[in-house]
Amino acid sequence: DGGITQSPKYLFRKEGQNVTLSCEQNLNHDAMYWYRQDPGQGLRLIYYSQIVNDFQKGDIAEGYSVSREKKESFPLTVTSAQKNPTAFYLCASSIGKGEAFFGQGTRLTVV
Amino acid sequence: GENVEQHPSTLSVQEGDSAVIKCTYSDSASNYFPWYKQELGKRPQLIIDIRSNVGEKKDQRIAVTLNKTAKHFSLHITETQPEDSAVYFCAASKDDYKLSFGAGTTVTVRA
Repeated sequence: DGGITQSPKYLFRKEGQNVTLSCEQNLNHDAMYWYRQDPGQGLRLIYYSQIVNDFQKGDIAEGYSVSREKKESFPLTVTSAQKNPTAFYLCASSIGKGEAFFGQGTRLTVV
Repeated sequence: GENVEQHPSTLSVQEGDSAVIKCTYSDSASNYFPWYKQELGKRPQLIIDIRSNVGEKKDQRIAVTLNKTAKHFSLHITETQPEDSAVYFCAASKDDYKLSFGAGTTVTVRA
C-alpha cells in the first residue's frame, strides 16, 4: 500500500530529553513537511523539505531539528530547547504541486 | 509571512441545511487555496482546492469561491449530512510548498 507512516502513535518523554519522531513515505514524493497541531491553532509548519539533503525552517522551527538523508524519510527531533513540546505532530508529503498527504500523527507528551 | 484567518471556529447546522466557512489571507501573492477535512482521530484529507486563476470550483455538494481582490475564500457545503461533521481547515500558499493554515472550524451536523 502507498502511504505515509508516522511512528509511534503515542510517545511519552521526560522533560529535558530529546526525542525523535519518525516519518516514512513510499509515495515517491519529493517534498515532506512537519506540522504541529494544537487545539484552536490549526496546523503550524515546523520544517519542510523540497528535495533530499535540503530543508527549510517553517514558522515555528525553534527547538526542533530535521534531516533528509533519504527521499523516503524525514525524521523530526524535538529537543530540550523546545519550551512547550507536548502536542500532536503531523508529517505530510507532496509532489510539490497540489495535495499534501498526511500521516496519522504522533501525540507527544512530555512530563 | 502569510496570515490566514478562519471563521467561524464552530458551526452547528441542521441536517440538510448548508454550511459556509470563510477565510481571509494577507499575502496577495498567494495563489493556491486548499481545504482539508479532519474527522475525529483521523488525518487531514484534501476535499477541494482552487487556484487564483479560477473564481469558483464545485465538486458534488462542496464548492469553494475565491475573491482575489478582497483576499478571501469560502467553503460551501450543501445538503449537509452527519458524515460532514468534522474539523475543516483552509490554507493558502504562494509556492505550493509552504501552506499556511487557518485555525479550523468544527462543524457539527445535527440529525
